Amino acid sequence: ETGVTQSPTHLIKTRGQQVTLRCSSQSGHNTVSWYQQALGQGPQFIFQYYREEENGRGNFPPRFSGLQFPNYSSELNVNALELDDSALYLCASSLNRGWKETQYFGPGTRLLVL
Amino acid sequence: AQSVTQLDSQVPVFEEAPVELRCNYSSSVSVYLFWYVQYPNQGLQLLLKYLSGSTLVKGINGFEAEFNKSQTSFHLRKPSVHISDTAEYFCAVSERAGGFKTIFGAGTRLFVKA
Repeated sequence: ETGVTQSPTHLIKTRGQQVTLRCSSQSGHNTVSWYQQALGQGPQFIFQYYREEENGRGNFPPRFSGLQFPNYSSELNVNALELDDSALYLCASSLNRGWKETQYFGPGTRLLVL
Repeated sequence: AQSVTQLDSQVPVFEEAPVELRCNYSSSVSVYLFWYVQYPNQGLQLLLKYLSGSTLVKGINGFEAEFNKSQTSFHLRKPSVHISDTAEYFCAVSERAGGFKTIFGAGTRLFVKA
């Protein structure tokens, strides 16, 4: 039990739609990262937020965006969904930014795009 | 460019036997190294991490890993596995200087047989 929760657990959308995924970090963790994990692959870094500002981004297009709120919750928004967006989306919180920090992962949201 | 290679996609092993899961990385700067475990339908959990100091790192559940800078490897070992160790294991690398992101390998599926 990492203390990081995500909602919903599963989601089905159709191509072209928009989706919002939610994450609740551990209390006191000011950093949250989002990852996309395709079936049979390792997690791919999407972006990181530190104190409500984007702190780094992976190779994902601008239709992937995020928000972090003062209450340790965050969102991942994906516009214009494509079939290849089908994946497990993981959020991970850490006490601080900096890549030696331990990341605490949530159970993920499984998104299926039809 | 940073990359992580997990040399075995699947490792079957009998209960109480030793196991080694192999990980090699490439990076032009110093790195932090991590091993995570993912049980079915769950998020990732940190097993251990190497930041600096002793190259032999001990983690949870009896796992350990050794950092070998000359071979750019960080192999994970356990002297005696249990059925409950059946899971997906991911090696990950973060760079020490800027470029705030973590790169994961594709994963190794450890299957422990009775």
